[in-house]
Amino acid sequence: GAVVSQHPSWVICKSGTSVKIECRSLDFQATTMFWYRQFPKQSLMLMATSNEGSKATYEQGVEKDKFLINHASLTLSTLTVTSAHPEDSSFYICSATGTLVEKLFFGSGTQLSVL
Amino acid sequence: GENVEQHPSTLSVQEGDSAVIKCTYSDSASNYFPWYKQELGKGPQLIIDIRSNVGEKKDQRIAVTLNKTAKHFSLHITETQPEDSAVYFCAASMNSGNTPLVFGKGTRLSVIA
Repeated sequence: GAVVSQHPSWVICKSGTSVKIECRSLDFQATTMFWYRQFPKQSLMLMATSNEGSKATYEQGVEKDKFLINHASLTLSTLTVTSAHPEDSSFYICSATGTLVEKLFFGSGTQLSVL
Repeated sequence: GENVEQHPSTLSVQEGDSAVIKCTYSDSASNYFPWYKQELGKGPQLIIDIRSNVGEKKDQRIAVTLNKTAKHFSLHITETQPEDSAVYFCAASMNSGNTPLVFGKGTRLSVIA
């Protein structure tokens, strides 16, 4: 299957700081990327959908000014958690698909812990 | 919108036995149904998928069946092995991977050696 690389795999930060998570499609052009959030022992919750070159579409209840998503190229999308607080601590997972892929592949996830 | 129900939430089987996980969906427009395996601390891994024009698909020890009329689909794992232990998620969407997947709540499978 296609490879999606996500970094970092884990990050610890102080409350009030910002954290950037990168998601790269290594062997295909990702026209669409999705960002999910997962709490322990729960399912994946869609946060936003981003199409290359366009503004991201956020799900209801997700603050777009807090979770900044950039999808400036066909191989890279970033999620920046701004002014992080302890309640933002979670497992964040990106996924990507493309016109030639037609399936959704996930990154390895990023465990964010905000102290 | 689409709603996906998944059962059971936990499943324990003896090594070598079969495991079956079932999902139902609500939107008859959904036409793509993937299954993902997630190990602790990792992202979900696509293990098999099926589209609405097919009733069954098999890949070695894994098979998926789809009943469009009843709007349910199932994952079958035969000859289970300890390394099959993980959380399995079913999902549904209207257009393969180009539209957001709606996930079930997951099934924690434990294969006991």
